[in-house]
Amino acid sequence: SQQGEEDPQALSIQEGENATMNCSYKTSINNLQWYRQNSGRGLVHLILIRSNEREKHSGRLRVTLDTSKKSSSLLITASRAADTASYFCATGPTNDYKLSFGAGTTVTVRA
Amino acid sequence: DGGITQSPKYLFRKEGQNVTLSCEQNLNHDAMYWYRQDPGQGLRLIYYSQIVNDFQKGDIAEGYSVSREKKESFPLTVTSAQKNPTAFYLCASSLSERAEAFFGQGTRLTVV
Repeated sequence: SQQGEEDPQALSIQEGENATMNCSYKTSINNLQWYRQNSGRGLVHLILIRSNEREKHSGRLRVTLDTSKKSSSLLITASRAADTASYFCATGPTNDYKLSFGAGTTVTVRA
Repeated sequence: DGGITQSPKYLFRKEGQNVTLSCEQNLNHDAMYWYRQDPGQGLRLIYYSQIVNDFQKGDIAEGYSVSREKKESFPLTVTSAQKNPTAFYLCASSLSERAEAFFGQGTRLTVV
């Protein structure tokens, strides 16, 4: 079973708008990570938030983590056509190397 | 260039044959992973390894085998016991369980 589950499955927005996607997970974690995948390619790491952090920023990305609700959100501000991709959250249980991914959110940014 | 390399990019296999996918990294990472991705789906963990000569089953290990004889290499064999092997296979590595993972560009396996 997959540790993380993203919501929504798909998102279509206009260029310049913000995109928000959510991730829920099941067990205690070391950290939560977000990745991007362009069609047919490998995944690229975007941001890592540790279990003792609540919010983290990187450029146009903002990630929040609520360990009491076992959930995280990824916000992409001022979206661009190049942000069109699938986004995945990944988690690993505490003191374990296992890294599990959710089903992903497919984001389409319309010009 | 440091990175993680998967080969080949495309692979065709006849039913009933075993096939081995290559994954090599020169990042000096301890952990390595194999995932399977079906069209429009997320990544499912096949096997992972924390250290040389040790590996653990992931969520869908049946029909697959791995070895970790060298730190930099983690080949995946898709055996004839895997009933539906056509998929996109991704290899990844990370420095530790608290670090980001780096991915290869994937191998697309098609059974013909």
